[in-house]
Amino acid sequence: AQSVSQHNHHVILSEAASLELGCNYSYGGTVNLFWYVQYPGQHLQLLLKYFSGDPLVKGIKGFEAEFIKSKFSFNLRKPSVQWSDTAEYFCAVNAWNTDKLIFGTGTRLQVFP
Amino acid sequence: GAVVSQHPSRVICKSGTSVKIECRSLDFQATTMFWYRQFPKQSLMLMATSNEGSKATYEQGVEKDKFLINHASLTLSTLTVTSAHPEDSSFYICSARGGGAQETQYFGPGTRLLVL
Repeated sequence: AQSVSQHNHHVILSEAASLELGCNYSYGGTVNLFWYVQYPGQHLQLLLKYFSGDPLVKGIKGFEAEFIKSKFSFNLRKPSVQWSDTAEYFCAVNAWNTDKLIFGTGTRLQVFP
Repeated sequence: GAVVSQHPSRVICKSGTSVKIECRSLDFQATTMFWYRQFPKQSLMLMATSNEGSKATYEQGVEKDKFLINHASLTLSTLTVTSAHPEDSSFYICSARGGGAQETQYFGPGTRLLVL
């Protein structure tokens, strides 16, 4: 069965620090990969997605993620975080051309000024 | 971007009653809608997938007679929790997609259900 692991449950950073959130998945076939963000009191929003092509994907608000197939990983990065990046971040996977999105447990990011 | 709304945002009901939650795609036609459940500090778990005009496909372990899903139009899906019990208290989130599996799912803001 597919599963998604996010190893960092809670990350605390100061503004301007660099961010990397880990995401690993278990599935042997072709996958689509997503990062969603949920700001306090708001709904889930898509940050970025990878379907195929360049494994380095750039998303909104300066975020990027790199798909490393050999490591089954899709880590999220941002070189310099801002206070407004405080949110919950979810990694999600679905097997290629299927409907079911499998979510990780989420990482809560707190950025202090 | 595409907007998905849910109503109500919060509902409190007595044990044994039924609760209906609406999910609407406001500016696009959603051929497929999804219903998720999220427990505190846990991930979103897919409950069911519904395509407009078809019966919903439920995930393993989800009781279809308890969680009734209707997707009667391209902009509206409803989830009815029948004979709700305290263990049904949770955060229910819908998402909607306009095209095939390669298209993005857009999420609603969620509905907090508390069953007393």
